[in-house]
Amino acid sequence: DQQVKQNSPSLSVQEGRISILNCDYTNSMFDYFLWYKKYPAEGPTFLISISSIKDKNEDGRFTVFLNKSAKHLSLHIVPSQPGDSAVYFCAASGRAGGGADGLTFGKGTHLIIQP
Amino acid sequence: EAEVAQSPRYKITEKSQAVAFWCDPISGHATLYWYRQILGQGPELLVQFQDESVVDDSQLPKDRFSAERLKGVDSTLKIQPAELGDSAMYLCASSLGWFGTEAFFGQGTRLTVV
Repeated sequence: DQQVKQNSPSLSVQEGRISILNCDYTNSMFDYFLWYKKYPAEGPTFLISISSIKDKNEDGRFTVFLNKSAKHLSLHIVPSQPGDSAVYFCAASGRAGGGADGLTFGKGTHLIIQP
Repeated sequence: EAEVAQSPRYKITEKSQAVAFWCDPISGHATLYWYRQILGQGPELLVQFQDESVVDDSQLPKDRFSAERLKGVDSTLKIQPAELGDSAMYLCASSLGWFGTEAFFGQGTRLTVV
């Protein structure tokens, strides 16, 4: 039972255009959401996060949108650059008992930026 | 720049042998996590420490896996005996420990069980 779903295994976007990566979640207890970027043979690198009290957070070329009623979030990258080619993971966290707040990850979307 | 250190980067072990991974979190980070990532999947939480105490080990296969963080700083994850299905990337992450702060990951240990 996947609580965080990234339904697009891969996405190809032309350099300079907008990349939109989508993520859906099912657990209504999640209230903190993050995007991580991962290159092969490396650990995930934090990109941007959003708490459930917001619907948008922006950091440079990266913007994350949260639609709580639809349990959906998206990551927008504008403009897309060749170095953005990587696997992007959506992750979510909720305040479980005892301080447990480990992340639940989606399966990832492989973003390919075409020159 | 501070980073999470993990060793070894790669490990090949035979089935039924014991294997151990080490993690040194970012200085000052109270919370430490071990995740396992199988190829084509997202990382899955195995265990979470707050200082030296286990906060969540509900997904840790305790018949063969153990984890410790004796002094609340570095941590060791052990598998004994290793099985073929344990082949995966083992990732360590740390955070300041306040809810809503991001976790920073190490480069991981790629384990292959043969």
